[in-house]
Amino acid sequence: GENVEQHPSTLSVQEGDSAVIKCTYSDSASNYFPWYKQELGKRPQLIIDIRSNVGEKKDQRIAVTLNKTAKHFSLHITETQPEDSAVYFCAASTTSGTYKYIFGTGTRLKVLA
Amino acid sequence: DSGVTQTPKHLITATGQRVTLRCSPRSGDLSVYWYQQSLDQGLQFLIQYYNGEERAKGNILERFSAQQFPDLHSELNLSSLELGDSALYFCASSEHRVNTEAFFGQGTRLTVV
Repeated sequence: GENVEQHPSTLSVQEGDSAVIKCTYSDSASNYFPWYKQELGKRPQLIIDIRSNVGEKKDQRIAVTLNKTAKHFSLHITETQPEDSAVYFCAASTTSGTYKYIFGTGTRLKVLA
Repeated sequence: DSGVTQTPKHLITATGQRVTLRCSPRSGDLSVYWYQQSLDQGLQFLIQYYNGEERAKGNILERFSAQQFPDLHSELNLSSLELGDSALYFCASSEHRVNTEAFFGQGTRLTVV
């Protein structure tokens, strides 16, 4: 079945450094790739998303890139801050039949002050 | 507030029992998704409904079942509960036919003792 692989599972960076999280999806019909941030004890919330007709999208310190050929997409956080510490999930979904939303396994990001 | 309401917030029950978790999606959202999140784990996709019909199934146990009612609220039924079923259960909703943000409820924390 469809799955989304996410790496790394944990990531520690110094404040001010960049963080990169990578995901690979298996369903070639996937056409929507959101990223969610889950702070401790809270619900996942969307931070950025990208659709299959776009290769890159930026929103302030956050950017997402998509390589449809390789079925890879990545989250880039620049100038990391302590408040960026959280678990980040990538997801892939498709309008092909089921509109299924499949999440990656998550990356626990720790930004060290 | 995401607009997705889950009840109850906390539930403690004994092994072998049956519980029902309830989810009210955002107004206008036709798709409802259920996820299980065990301690420090990712979001495991359980099942998805669209406008009252089951559309996709993930790794949902046979002891678990769900439905979406005509008013679009959804219920997740968990029976013959085991200690390993203790987890945070999230419901999410999204617009129909468009790949858009999935809005999560605050979750129901189930503890099986």
